[in-house]
Order: sequence, then C-alpha cells, then structure tokens
Amino acid sequence: ETGVTQTPRHLVMGMTNKKSLKCEQHLGHNAMYWYKQSAKKPLELMFVYNFKEQTENNSVPSRFSPECPNSSHLFLHLHTLQPEDSALYLCASSQGPAEQPQHFGDGTRLSIL
Amino acid sequence: QQQVKQSPQSLIVQKGGISIINCAYENTAFDYFPWYQQFPGKGPALLIAIRPDVSEKKEGRFTISFNKSAKQFSLHIMDSQPGDSATYFCAATLQTGANNLFFGTGTRLTVIP
Repeated sequence: ETGVTQTPRHLVMGMTNKKSLKCEQHLGHNAMYWYKQSAKKPLELMFVYNFKEQTENNSVPSRFSPECPNSSHLFLHLHTLQPEDSALYLCASSQGPAEQPQHFGDGTRLSIL
Repeated sequence: QQQVKQSPQSLIVQKGGISIINCAYENTAFDYFPWYQQFPGKGPALLIAIRPDVSEKKEGRFTISFNKSAKQFSLHIMDSQPGDSATYFCAATLQTGANNLFFGTGTRLTVIP
C-alpha cells in the first residue's frame, strides 16, 4: 500500500471518448503530480499542483485537463486523445512542492483505440 | 536534451552477484538524486537517495556511489536476489521551485537463480 490510489487501473477508450482518471492520496501531502510513462522513455512530468493550485504545466496538449479540488484528490480529464497517448499515467504526491520523496500510485494503463 | 542518462538498458545478473547501474546528469545545480524501483503492474517506489555532500550511501544491500566532479552516480546491488528483478530508475532534481524530478530511461534488471 503506497498511500496513493489511482482508479481505474486499466482504461480502453476510443479517440472521441471522454474519460477521467482519478488519484487520491492518504498521506496528508500538499503537492500532487501527474506523470506519463511510455516504454523506453523517461517518466514525463505533466502537471504539478501545490495546495490545489497548478504550478507547472509542461507543455501538455489541451486534450489533457487536470483538476485538483483539494489537496487529497487529483483528476486528469481526457478527451479526443490520440493513439500516441497510450501509456501508463502515474500520480504522485509529496509533502510539499520542493520536498522529496515523491510517492507514486500504481498508475492507470491507458489504451487508445 | 535529456537531463539524466542511464545505462545499461537491461541487465542480467546471477543470484549472489553484484548489479551495477550507472547514471550521468547535466545540471550541476541538482541537489537530490533518488533511485526508484518499479515492479510490473506497480508504480515506482523510492529505494534509496543521496545528496551531493556525500560520496556514498548504503542501505542494506543497496549502495549509491556519487562522483560530483564527473556528474555521475551509480547504484550497486550486492548479493543480488531474484526478488530484486525489477526496473530501476535514477533521477535528479533541484529542491527548489517546482520540484521537477528528471528521470533516466530505466534499467530492467533480471536476477537468475
């Protein structure tokens, strides 16, 4: 049990669908992150939230839309995705935005048809 | 430009042997260097980390060696066990600002009995 829970674990969607990924952390942390993990590539940081405020957006396409209603929950809303968006999406949290370590969830495996 | 370069991509070691994974970084301002371990179907989990004020850190069978002048650091796994079979990621960050973790591309370690 990592303290960071992601749902669903697997998601298959068509390019025109709209879906959302959910992340919940039970660690009392204040910073949350979305990462994309593709085969043979470094983990790519997508978004950073600190105390519910977005502090980083690493040039992510607008078809990915994050939402952080409180410090414990983070969503990634998906719409009109492309086949190259198929990947493992990981959520992480840390005590603060400049503190380590980051604790990761087990990810959502996303497949775009 | 990739901030952290990791090698080898894959590694096969006999049980009881020493596994060595190497990383090199670009930014001399990086001040925190973690190693993450990831098992299939799981998210990365922090294994061990080092700060640049020491040249070596040991935790059980895992040791990080750090060479600041060469901008390199490595993970040594002594007495490797089949249960150590996983993908290992090195990372580096500057512990101010957005707390971006820059990851290597990962090393898939297989320990054969």
